[in-house]
Amino acid sequence: SAVISQKPSRDICQRGTSLTIQCQVDSQVTMMFWYRQQPGQSLTLIATANQGSEATYESGFVIDKFPISRPNLTFSTLTVSNMSPEDSSIYLCSVGGRQVDMQYFGPGTRLTVL
Amino acid sequence: TQLLEQSPQFLSIQEGENLTVYCNSSSVFSSLQWYRQEPGEGPVLLVTVVTGGEVKKLKRLTFQFGDARKDSSLHITAAQTGDTGLYLCARGNYQLIWGAGTKLIIKP
Repeated sequence: SAVISQKPSRDICQRGTSLTIQCQVDSQVTMMFWYRQQPGQSLTLIATANQGSEATYESGFVIDKFPISRPNLTFSTLTVSNMSPEDSSIYLCSVGGRQVDMQYFGPGTRLTVL
Repeated sequence: TQLLEQSPQFLSIQEGENLTVYCNSSSVFSSLQWYRQEPGEGPVLLVTVVTGGEVKKLKRLTFQFGDARKDSSLHITAAQTGDTGLYLCARGNYQLIWGAGTKLIIKP
């Protein structure tokens, strides 16, 4: 299994500002994923981040709004840019497991935009 | 899009009762995972089912994969307050497709 930490755990931000969320894994992994989740609801994939290449974004998410960095095999960041109240959500990072059909998740970052 | 339908979306029952959560798809899947997410935490994998008709047990939780591999169920016997959480089913390789989730509340 993988141990994943995220920073910050929560934040309250003003609209128009940006927040960078960090995701650190205790082992080297190829694929990292960033999700958004409304409390009590399912997960929506934002993008897949592979080390050494640009992130692949899902429909409805763009790089200008959610730039992602993947500088090495244990770390990634997601920036939520020019925030609005609609960006208030929980942001989760995850990594693939030894089997392709499983993932390990970080504890999430709860973002509130005022 | 090969969606996963989960039901019910919300369930609130008394401690000691039994319950079943369902996950269905119109297409066959090679495997299916069940996750549980507690407030303030990320989802945690409970089980992966692979073979049609397969039944796996995790203490009071029983997971079943349909014979046709299009549906799965999670049955909890004698629910406890610690079972409270969001239960999610998922399928796929690398990029997972997620069910809508079942929010389960067990009242003492």
